[in-house]
Amino acid sequence: DVKVTQSLRYLVKRTGEKVFLECVQDMDHENMFWYRQDPGLGLRLIYFSYDVKMKEKGDIPEGYSVSREKKERFSLILESASTNQTSMYLCASRGWGEYYNEQFFGPGTRLTVL
Amino acid sequence: KNQVEQSPQSLIILEGKNCTLQCNYTVSPFSNLRWYKQDTGRGPVSLTIMTFSENTKSNGRYTATLDADTKQSSLHITASQLSDSASYICVCYYNNNDMRFGAGTRLTVKP
Repeated sequence: DVKVTQSLRYLVKRTGEKVFLECVQDMDHENMFWYRQDPGLGLRLIYFSYDVKMKEKGDIPEGYSVSREKKERFSLILESASTNQTSMYLCASRGWGEYYNEQFFGPGTRLTVL
Repeated sequence: KNQVEQSPQSLIILEGKNCTLQCNYTVSPFSNLRWYKQDTGRGPVSLTIMTFSENTKSNGRYTATLDADTKQSSLHITASQLSDSASYICVCYYNNNDMRFGAGTRLTVKP
């Protein structure tokens, strides 16, 4: 089974602090994604990566950056957290050969910025 | 504009009853549509995929339909169980790799 791991389930930070969220997948997938999920808005794509050291902006990249130094690891960085970045953050991965674009999601990290 | 709208936003039913969740989309050119189930505190898990040529597909007590002409999909849950309590998310894929998520329907099944 594909496993996507987000080691932090809950995180509380203060405004202005740097936040580092890490995602690891064990299926050798080429594509990895970061989403935020807010009530009534659904999942919104922040950034994605289709290869090591490659990144592409999603729908809401402002205030975020990402890093992909190794194939299995995709990190989301908030350089200076703000209260409007309080949200659930979900990571996903997908292989090029996956049946009709199926993405596999991690359990999510609930971030609260005070 | 490429959008996916789900209804209702939330739904409460009694255990053993059936229910139907709706997904309307405007994405173009449409590739396929996937329903995900998201349990509280977990990431979404795929329930079923509907390709352009498919009308109906079942996965146990879950049956998805797709009407590509009216751009509508539904997810029907039969004989609901407490474990069906979750959010159900419709995702539409278009332009081969682009995707758009619906906001989800929050289903609560009560004993």
